[in-house]
Amino acid sequence: DVVMTQSPLSLPVTLGQPASISCRSSQSLVHGDGNTYLNWFQQRPGQSPRRLIYKISNRDSGVPDRFSGSGSDTDFTLKISRVEAEDVGVYYCMQGSHWPPYTFGQGTKLEIK
Amino acid sequence: QVQLVESGGGVVQPGRSLRLSCAASGFTFSNYAMHWIRQAPGKGLEWVAVITHDGSGKYYADSVRGRFTISRDISKNTYLQLSSLTAEDTAIYYCARDDPSGQGDYWGQGTLVTVSS
Repeated sequence: DVVMTQSPLSLPVTLGQPASISCRSSQSLVHGDGNTYLNWFQQRPGQSPRRLIYKISNRDSGVPDRFSGSGSDTDFTLKISRVEAEDVGVYYCMQGSHWPPYTFGQGTKLEIK
Repeated sequence: QVQLVESGGGVVQPGRSLRLSCAASGFTFSNYAMHWIRQAPGKGLEWVAVITHDGSGKYYADSVRGRFTISRDISKNTYLQLSSLTAEDTAIYYCARDDPSGQGDYWGQGTLVTVSS
């Protein structure tokens, strides 16, 4: 199984400042079709998860452009250019390249300092 | 608009069974694979099972294989039959759509399963 490791697990950020979350996989996430199925999800308190980013760097519809994804192979990053109050929650990376099983990172809890 | 609505959760005794449902609307259901993903209280997300768009393929996490069964019907419902339940199965169960671009582009609100005597 592919193990997904996120860091940090807790991320206190000042409003208006940038934030960055790392996600590393135990093996390359390049799929046989050439795509890399690495997704990022946001889960606000009391809500269902919401996908922000798919295939490393593609923003879902309605996702603010302050969110961006980057990386390749086994090393991926989610960046928030300027954190807003509504960004509080837990962020998960998830791989869909080598399944079953699909696997998630442990989650990174973003809070406002 | 795309909607996924789960139902069927509740309190169940260890060893008993439960069936969860996920009703889909707002998209051509037969074109999409569907997932079940769960979240134990205060914990992270755990993928449980996926069923292909036509129901021909079903895949499970090791933790539930042999106890849970995923299925779907032409009425736009996805099901998860839970059997031989233990306290470790206590969680919110979400259904999510599998989009060709990746997994989980839409999620339901979840249904809570509590396994307790």
